[in-house]
Amino acid sequence: AQSVSQHNHHVILSEAASLELGCNYSYGGTVNLFWYVQYPGQHLQLLLKYFSGDPLVKGIKGFEAEFIKSKFSFNLRKPSVQWSDTAEYFCAVKLRRTSNTGKLIFGQGTTLQVKP
Amino acid sequence: GAGVSQSPSNKVTEKGKDVELRCDPISGHTALYWYRQSLGQGLEFLIYFQGNSAPDKSGLPSDRFSAERTGGSVSTLTIQRTQQEDSAVYLCASSFELDYEQYFGPGTRLTVT
Repeated sequence: AQSVSQHNHHVILSEAASLELGCNYSYGGTVNLFWYVQYPGQHLQLLLKYFSGDPLVKGIKGFEAEFIKSKFSFNLRKPSVQWSDTAEYFCAVKLRRTSNTGKLIFGQGTTLQVKP
Repeated sequence: GAGVSQSPSNKVTEKGKDVELRCDPISGHTALYWYRQSLGQGLEFLIYFQGNSAPDKSGLPSDRFSAERTGGSVSTLTIQRTQQEDSAVYLCASSFELDYEQYFGPGTRLTVT
């Protein structure tokens, strides 16, 4: 079965540190890729998306992600984190195939804690 | 503009009772989705609607779960004879069309006692 794997369950960083959260998926076909963020007490918000074209995509709040097809990866990065980035981050994949259900397959999430 | 809204935000029910969860998608969005978020299972896809039609119901956990959408807008997820394992946050999302990005609502936290 197709799956999405996020490498880190809990990451603790100091402010101004660089961030990279790993995401790998298992599916050999065409995919759409997403990162969602859930701030404490808030709902899931779309951080960035990849559909096609430039594999380096930029999202809100200084986040970016790079799609590496050969590695089935879509890692999230931010050069310098802030305390306000404390949240849970979810990688999600949508399989592009003829039986399109719109279903997003989510990773298990990574909790990021940024210390001031 | 208004985002996806869900009601109630919290629901506590006794085991064996039926519950209805409601979702109001973003205006103009044709596709609507239900997910469930629980500690043990993470985020699970339940069902999607394209217009009022739900072509694939295989994601629903059991036949106690059903969903409908009327007028291409509001959707309700109904759980009959609730069980403790149904306790979770039920999330609704909508998208402009099936291939577009999904926007999520705040969820309904269901607790079955």
